[in-house]
Amino acid sequence: NAGVTQTPKFQVLKTGQSMTLQCAQDMNHNSMYWYRQDPGMGLRLIYYSASEGTTDKGEVPNGYNVSRLNKREFSLRLESAAPSQTSVYFCASSNYGTGYEQYFGPGTRLTVT
Amino acid sequence: GQQVMQIPQYQHVQEGEDFTTYCNSSTTLSNIQWYKQRPGGHPVFLIQLVKSGEVKKQKRLTFQFGEAKKNSSLHITATQTTDVGTYFCAAISSGSARQLTFGSGTQLTVLP
Repeated sequence: NAGVTQTPKFQVLKTGQSMTLQCAQDMNHNSMYWYRQDPGMGLRLIYYSASEGTTDKGEVPNGYNVSRLNKREFSLRLESAAPSQTSVYFCASSNYGTGYEQYFGPGTRLTVT
Repeated sequence: GQQVMQIPQYQHVQEGEDFTTYCNSSTTLSNIQWYKQRPGGHPVFLIQLVKSGEVKKQKRLTFQFGEAKKNSSLHITATQTTDVGTYFCAAISSGSARQLTFGSGTQLTVLP
């Protein structure tokens, strides 16, 4: 039982390049989330998926797209990376009936030069 | 959306001293969660508070939810070096996905 896994752990991109961050959970959770964490700003929600087949914008969705591939997997895509997207990205999952606590993956450290 | 303000942003304590972080909202919260993030790690769920005036304890950690459900606190008694990290409060939305709005966190340093 791995919980929430994310790949890659680290990534360096040049401005304008694209990439996809992968996230998978094995807890049979319905809801999944993508956050970014910047120093002194806590965690900010980028996109979320309440259940398989649905996605919605969070607080800071500009410059990102997501895909809920199936119940287990939720990917985050940067189409044209910008230095302002340098951050640590966390994926999380949760389920109703368990108090909605969120389980986080280990994070992806992304640097855009 | 909901906003939660968390203070202080940083706290340095000597090992054995107590520590408290506060979370405040201008609106009534349905419930609130607390998370801990160790340096270089990911947030880990600590507890959820639901009822007005609720107090919950986990060993040396005491969590409180205000009577008006607009504020919450986390108090650590006799800090240890293992308590080092950033503590976040998070307010839960009422939507189906139960999105969280995180406070900016309190970074705790424990000096040996």
